[in-house]
Amino acid sequence: EDQVTQSPEALRLQEGESSSLNCSYTVSGLRGLFWYRQDPGKGPEFLFTLYSAGEEKEKERLKATLTKKESFLHITAPKPEDSATYLCAVRSAMNYGGSQGNLIFGKGTKLSVKP
Amino acid sequence: NAGVTQTPKFRVLKTGQSMTLLCAQDMNHEYMYWYRQDPGMGLRLIHYSVGEGTTAKGEVPDGYNVSRLKKQNFLLGLESAAPSQTSVYFCASSRFESGTLVPPQHFGDGTRLSIL
Repeated sequence: EDQVTQSPEALRLQEGESSSLNCSYTVSGLRGLFWYRQDPGKGPEFLFTLYSAGEEKEKERLKATLTKKESFLHITAPKPEDSATYLCAVRSAMNYGGSQGNLIFGKGTKLSVKP
Repeated sequence: NAGVTQTPKFRVLKTGQSMTLLCAQDMNHEYMYWYRQDPGMGLRLIHYSVGEGTTAKGEVPDGYNVSRLKKQNFLLGLESAAPSQTSVYFCASSRFESGTLVPPQHFGDGTRLSIL
């Protein structure tokens, strides 16, 4: 069964304290891994797409990396405005031919950055 | 540019009542989706549409119906609401890109629905 597990569930950082969020996955053939940011009371905001092991994407203080078993979202020198819940989702070979929206989402990591 | 707009933002229903959630997008996207988000669970796909006049079932379609009569609108209906349908509902859209399955890119801010 395809699964996505995000850790930790919650992470508290001081402003400027770099860290990483983890997304481990077990899928029958990865067809894409996606990162989203979700602010309280808002819908998810699309951040990155990764397709193959070794691939990296960057946006401001965020950098996403991918291996054959997991993805990391590295946050460098975070600011309070980076506080949000970060969601990881995957598309597997099983649902590749069907809905492109039928992603398997993790439960998210709630990041809090204190000034 | 409004993006994806959902109405209403909040609603309380009694068991057995019906209602329709409206999603509108102004980006001319081909694909639209309805998700539900429950505490302690990841987002789950209810129904989706790959174009005007087409709809299909997602992971958790039971108890819901959808329609996409116009490209910019995607409606989610609850014919007979049940407490298990208490959730936050998100609509999303994405463009068509030849040779690539683009993931849901733009989400609305959700409809918070409580069924008593």
